[in-house]
Amino acid sequence: NAGVMQNPRHLVRRRGQEARLRCSPMKGHSHVYWYRQLPEEGLKFMVYLQKENIIDESGMPKERFSAEFPKEGPSILRIQQVVRGDSAAYFCASSPSVQGARNEQYFGPGTRLTVT
Amino acid sequence: AQSVTQLGSHVSVSEGALVLLRCNYSSSVPPYLFWYVQYPNQGLQLLLKYTSAATLVKGINGFEAEFKKSETSFHLTKPSAHMSDAAEYFCAVSDPGAAGNKLTFGGGTRVLVKP
Repeated sequence: NAGVMQNPRHLVRRRGQEARLRCSPMKGHSHVYWYRQLPEEGLKFMVYLQKENIIDESGMPKERFSAEFPKEGPSILRIQQVVRGDSAAYFCASSPSVQGARNEQYFGPGTRLTVT
Repeated sequence: AQSVTQLGSHVSVSEGALVLLRCNYSSSVPPYLFWYVQYPNQGLQLLLKYTSAATLVKGINGFEAEFKKSETSFHLTKPSAHMSDAAEYFCAVSDPGAAGNKLTFGGGTRVLVKP
């Protein structure tokens, strides 16, 4: 039973390039979350998606960042025109439900983005 | 809005000694509470969670936490530290009534275990 998969594990981009981060949730999980961990800080919520829907994007920066979770395929976090401040670890988590005892989130290994 | 405060960004314990990591939260509604552990260059692993059942919650690797509503606390303990417990620990809270279950994390506590 594979866990949450993220790729790439490490991504280096020059300023102004685009970064695409992929997340495949655990089998049977239809809820996906993205979090960002800046150096020496805790994780900050970015966006919550269900299949084909963005439910809560209150943590997403207003510009350059977008997320999707299509009917088929992984969830994608896209960062356009990256800047040095985007350098961070980006974690994806999935859960089978958002209610009651099955609401825990399972985290992927993260994608470490470095902007040069 | 919810918030989580973890007292002490770094904790050093001797092998075999008690591990105590403090977590206080602020929430306008009874929350769900979680402790996660993160090993270097890895994702987060759930240690335990509180979802309004028993206030003393037992988790993996010998950890447990007690929910104290009057103190708005959810401190994590382990009676005897092992070298393998060296990691960073995050306390998190979510609002059961909100759409989705987004987590609000504390700043983390890095645990060093001395032989």
